[in-house]
Amino acid sequence: DQQVKQNSPSLSVQEGRISILNCDYTNSMFDYFLWYKKYPAEGPTFLISISSIKDKNEDGRFTVFLNKSAKHLSLHIVPSQPGDSAVYFCAASASTDTDKLIFGTGTRLQVFP
Amino acid sequence: DAGVIQSPRHEVTEMGQEVTLRCKPISGHNSLFWYRQTMMRGLELLIYFNNNVPIDDSGMPEDRFSAKMPNASFSTLKIQPSEPRDSAVYFCASSFYRGGETQYFGPGTRLLVL
Repeated sequence: DQQVKQNSPSLSVQEGRISILNCDYTNSMFDYFLWYKKYPAEGPTFLISISSIKDKNEDGRFTVFLNKSAKHLSLHIVPSQPGDSAVYFCAASASTDTDKLIFGTGTRLQVFP
Repeated sequence: DAGVIQSPRHEVTEMGQEVTLRCKPISGHNSLFWYRQTMMRGLELLIYFNNNVPIDDSGMPEDRFSAKMPNASFSTLKIQPSEPRDSAVYFCASSFYRGGETQYFGPGTRLLVL
């Protein structure tokens, strides 16, 4: 059972426009959410996170939105740049076991000129 | 400042052979994680250690998989015997346990079992 789902395996966006990556979760115990970015032949790297006490967290061009009632979060990248082309993983953890991250299947983002 | 080191980076082996993947976490980190990446299931947590003690191995697929952490600077993931369905990229990650801390990933080992 996939507790964290990324239903779009790929997304293609023009440079300068907004990229929106979506993530859904099923476990109501999750209260901390993260996005990781992965380039080919490299390990994932942390991008941005959000606690369940917030509904938005912003870091430069990256903003994560959390809708707890819908068990949905999204990552917005504005403006998108070619260097943002990568696989993005959504992850979640519960305060009962904060060390354990549950990852989604990833969304491959391609930003074209 | 060295990150998480994994070896080998690539491994090709034949079905039935033993495979050993190695990981050196970031110095000072006391939590270590082994993940497997596949297209179908994304990044799956296989096992994690805290202070060299296995905390959760519920993600280990079957008895053919085993992991050890003999000291704070080294861990192994062993598959014996290997099968073609074990082909995947295996990542090691480490963090400093304070609850919700960022995990730092190694570059991964790409395993192909023929």
